[in-house]
Amino acid sequence: GQNIDQPTEMTATEGAIVQINCTYQTSGFNGLFWYQQHAGEAPTFLSYNVLDGLEEKGRFSSFLSRSKGYSYLLLKELQMKDSASYLCAVMDSNYQLIWGAGTKLIIKP
Amino acid sequence: DADVTQTPRNRITKTGKRIMLECSQTKGHDRMYWYRQDPGLGLQLIYYSFDVKDINKGEISDGYSVSRQAQAKFSLSLESAIPNQTALYFCATSGNEDTGELFFGEGSRLTVL
Repeated sequence: GQNIDQPTEMTATEGAIVQINCTYQTSGFNGLFWYQQHAGEAPTFLSYNVLDGLEEKGRFSSFLSRSKGYSYLLLKELQMKDSASYLCAVMDSNYQLIWGAGTKLIIKP
Repeated sequence: DADVTQTPRNRITKTGKRIMLECSQTKGHDRMYWYRQDPGLGLQLIYYSFDVKDINKGEISDGYSVSRQAQAKFSLSLESAIPNQTALYFCATSGNEDTGELFFGEGSRLTVL
């Protein structure tokens, strides 16, 4: 079966750095996505990785290793507004998105 | 105004009632999707459509039906609602390329008593 694993919850301190991991087992691979979802709101797109390596976008970076079935989202200089759930999703060989359950990130002052 | 609009945003109904959730978009995208989100679970795909004449079942289509009335409109129906269909429902669109970026509506919270 297809599976996406990510931690249920993480806590970090304002101004610090946090890494949210995602491991996956899917039927084929056509890209990995990270979305941010604030409580009660719609998910919004953060990043897309299809090749191995690090993609940097401001305070957020996303890393992919296809051979290991592994990705992480790195958030730097954490702000209170970064408190949200972070969803990892993989596009399989049929171009269908398989979603993880999300990681709830709590930022403390 | 939001590019992807869902109505109603909140609905409480009783078991056995027929419910329709509507979605409209101004992004000009051909691809539209309906997902449900439950606490502790990933987003689950109910139905998707790649154009007006195309309807496809997702992983959890039982108990649901859809209609793609126009490129901009995609509605989800629960013919006879049951309590385990209580969830947050999202409509989403994507462009024609296979990059997968989805644009979500604000969500419709449905409670079935």
